Amino acid sequence: GENVEQHPSTLSVQEGDSAVIKCTYSDSASNYFPWYKQELGKRPQLIIDIRSNVGEKKDQRIAVTLNKTAKHFSLHITETQPEDSAVYFCAASKGNMLTFGGGTRLMVKP
Amino acid sequence: EAGVAQSPRYKIIEKRQSVAFWCNPISGHATLYWYQQILGQGPKLLIQFQNNGVVDDSQLPKDRFSAERLKGVDSTLKIQPAKLEDSAVYLCASSLVAAGREQYFGPGTRLTVT
Repeated sequence: GENVEQHPSTLSVQEGDSAVIKCTYSDSASNYFPWYKQELGKRPQLIIDIRSNVGEKKDQRIAVTLNKTAKHFSLHITETQPEDSAVYFCAASKGNMLTFGGGTRLMVKP
Repeated sequence: EAGVAQSPRYKIIEKRQSVAFWCNPISGHATLYWYQQILGQGPKLLIQFQNNGVVDDSQLPKDRFSAERLKGVDSTLKIQPAKLEDSAVYLCASSLVAAGREQYFGPGTRLTVT
């Protein structure tokens, strides 16, 4: 089955700096890669996703890049704000079945 | 639009007892998922339904876990008997039937097994 590795497990940045979270996946047939944000005690919420026919996607301060050959994808957050502090999960899927990474706890210090 | 509803929000039981969780997906979402999220880890898919049929239950511990989705809408997940390692948040999610569509998560049920 699919295996998704996520790094780093914790990331601390100063407000205004950029944050980068990286994930690798094992199944070359995976074709959909969402990123979820989970605040403490709350449900995961989709923040951005990318499909395998696209190399990069951007939405305001958030961007995701995908390298199908290397089987890795990354989340980039620019101009970080304290409200960006949360746990971020990457996931990979073919069909509807999502396999999640272990999560990255992002802390943005004011 | 109403989101995914789950109940109860919290449950504390002793090991070897049974417990059931309920989920009501977003109206019109044919696909429903149950995930187990252990503290500090990512959600792990337990079972996926499309309408009232099981699509994938390969990671469901079938000796103690069961799930059903009668009439293709609401779903229940049951654990019997519970073990200490079942302590986790159980998340229900739903999506439109097409592959690669956003999954919307419910608030989850936090289960503590003592």
